[in-house]
Amino acid sequence: SQQGEEDPQALSIQEGENATMNCSYKTSINNLQWYRQNSGRGLVHLILIRSNEREKHSGRLRVTLDTSKKSSSLLITASRAADTASYFCATDDSGAGSYQLTFGKGTKLSVIP
Amino acid sequence: KAGVTQTPRYLIKTRGQQVTLSCSPISGHRSVSWYQQTPGQGLQFLFEYFSETQRNKGNFPGRFSGRQFSNSRSEMNVSTLELGDSALYLCASSLLAGGFYEQYFGPGTRLTVT
Repeated sequence: SQQGEEDPQALSIQEGENATMNCSYKTSINNLQWYRQNSGRGLVHLILIRSNEREKHSGRLRVTLDTSKKSSSLLITASRAADTASYFCATDDSGAGSYQLTFGKGTKLSVIP
Repeated sequence: KAGVTQTPRYLIKTRGQQVTLSCSPISGHRSVSWYQQTPGQGLQFLFEYFSETQRNKGNFPGRFSGRQFSNSRSEMNVSTLELGDSALYLCASSLLAGGFYEQYFGPGTRLTVT
């Protein structure tokens, strides 16, 4: 079942603008991760935020996590055409002795040059 | 360090046939997970292997199976293929890092069932 749900499903912006994607989930988590996927290829890990963290930065990426609202957001600042991809949030709700990521349906980002 | 590799990259099979996909994890990674990605269902967890043992399995029929070898390489097998099995199959390897796992994905195998 899909736990993470991204919003919006698709986003189109001009190069240089900021892009914000949101993710909501249903159950308690150990951590939440964001991945990028270029058209039909493998996923690239972007950033991991732990359940006891509220905000994390990595280059032009900023991720926030609100466990009380069970939501996260990914902000990409000063977007570039190369940022065009699908972005997925994934929750780690693994139990003891195992590991499983549950993905949302993703946000398709188009950055127009 | 080499990334996760998957073979083959593309595969076309006929309904009723079986298929085996291969995944080589990043050196030193002992956990391998498999995911199926389709336009309708998105990314869904298939199973995870650690030290040759299946630790977790997603909600897929028994036609989907896998195994892991002593060198951590993994294979997944789908028997009696159905049209709905057409998908991108992604393999990911993980390294335990402070109790929080990051998964590194391969490029995927695109399976088309006709």
